[in-house]
Amino acid sequence: SQELEQSPQSLIVQEGKNLTINCTSSKTLYGLYWYKQKYGEGLIFLMMLQKGGEEKSHEKITAKLDEKKQQSSLHITASQPSHAGIYLCGAVHAGGTSYGKLTFGQGTILTVHP
Amino acid sequence: ETGVTQTPRHLVMGMTNKKSLKCEQHLGHNAMYWYKQSAKKPLELMFVYNFKEQTENNSVPSRFSPECPNSSHLFLHLHTLQPEDSALYLCASSQVSRGGALHNEQFFGPGTRLTVL
Repeated sequence: SQELEQSPQSLIVQEGKNLTINCTSSKTLYGLYWYKQKYGEGLIFLMMLQKGGEEKSHEKITAKLDEKKQQSSLHITASQPSHAGIYLCGAVHAGGTSYGKLTFGQGTILTVHP
Repeated sequence: ETGVTQTPRHLVMGMTNKKSLKCEQHLGHNAMYWYKQSAKKPLELMFVYNFKEQTENNSVPSRFSPECPNSSHLFLHLHTLQPEDSALYLCASSQVSRGGALHNEQFFGPGTRLTVL
């Protein structure tokens, strides 16, 4: 089974609509990272969350980590075609081996229609 | 050059060929990583190098051989690959503490799209 589950797997929205992507772990997280990827390209770092209840925003993207540090959400307000891509959550699990071992979710493919 | 660079960007090879992928980071980081991204599968960590020492080998077949000559360069040597090894290979770097705790984000290169015929 996946250590990190993302939902939905894909999302199609009309420009201007709000949307939310979720990332759930079966284990307590030490740190949670959100990345964006254009098809066939590298990952672009968006945000990192470490504290329970933490919330960060950058432009129209907000990420939250729940108090139990097992679930994170990424919310995009007033989506634009430039938001289209694959969104991945990555995590370091508490108590696991360290040295940068990130586990990733399977990704959410976002399409934004103009 | 800035950030993390990877060469080549695209590679087509036969199963009997030997080739190498190169990654270079210009960020002064002390840890580097190889990931494999296949269609419809999560991004998979292959190898981790911290301070030029390999600290993680995620059960990767021996036909993949990593090399880290210094903290800025990372190679992935390929030999006798299989068609199922076709994927996007991503390199990343980050700054980690001597204690090994991960506090900082990983920066990714653009990837090498590998096709094995």
